[in-house]
Amino acid sequence: IVMTQSPATLSVSPGDGATLSCRASQYVSINLAWYQQKPGQAPRLLIYGASTRATNIPTRFSGSGSGTEFTLSISSLQSEDFAVYYCQQYNNWPPYTFGQGTKVEIK
Amino acid sequence: QVQLVESGGGVVQPGGSLTLSCAASGFTFTTYGMHWVRQAPGKGLEWVAFIRFDGSDKYYADSVKGRFTVSRDNSKNTLYLQMNSLRTEDTAVYYCAKDSASYSGSVHYFDYWGQGIQFTVSS
Repeated sequence: IVMTQSPATLSVSPGDGATLSCRASQYVSINLAWYQQKPGQAPRLLIYGASTRATNIPTRFSGSGSGTEFTLSISSLQSEDFAVYYCQQYNNWPPYTFGQGTKVEIK
Repeated sequence: QVQLVESGGGVVQPGGSLTLSCAASGFTFTTYGMHWVRQAPGKGLEWVAFIRFDGSDKYYADSVKGRFTVSRDNSKNTLYLQMNSLRTEDTAVYYCAKDSASYSGSVHYFDYWGQGIQFTVSS
């Protein structure tokens, strides 16, 4: 299953909201996770089951979607939210597949 | 808290071999599957291998099948990745990651990650 994220780069002002998209080439139900990765750091799980926040993830992060279309929304971006975000499907495996990532940068 | 610490990286010549290790703590290692995920320089994430909690099943990405072997020692809470016939395209940061599902559960995302270990294949 090919995961396609858009846009590749998103320029956002601090305090504004952001919407990231992820599309699966085949049906993946809600078996979709989102990860955040900052430079030089390991990825961190944000969302699983398409919409369930992982432990200690702030409520400004929310996920939605099912089937083949998914969205990660970040309300009121904080400085620590500027990072690369990856979606990953775990419905049909192996392999587990990731999107190519969306970089959220400061505008 | 969950800790995953990779070790064993370095520089290896093409065609060579290397074994990475991942020491786990802070959770019941013997009940969770484990993964290896890699990230080539400036690139995205690529899943490499998965081993079930008891080592009974192993799965690999096509790009490493037949060259890499994932294993675990539950008595030492340690995950391994033996890499043979190495290619320059294997150069990456390698992460071990804990599977979300205990025992033979079917929902597999990566809920905890190690800090990663750099590994370079170069002559």
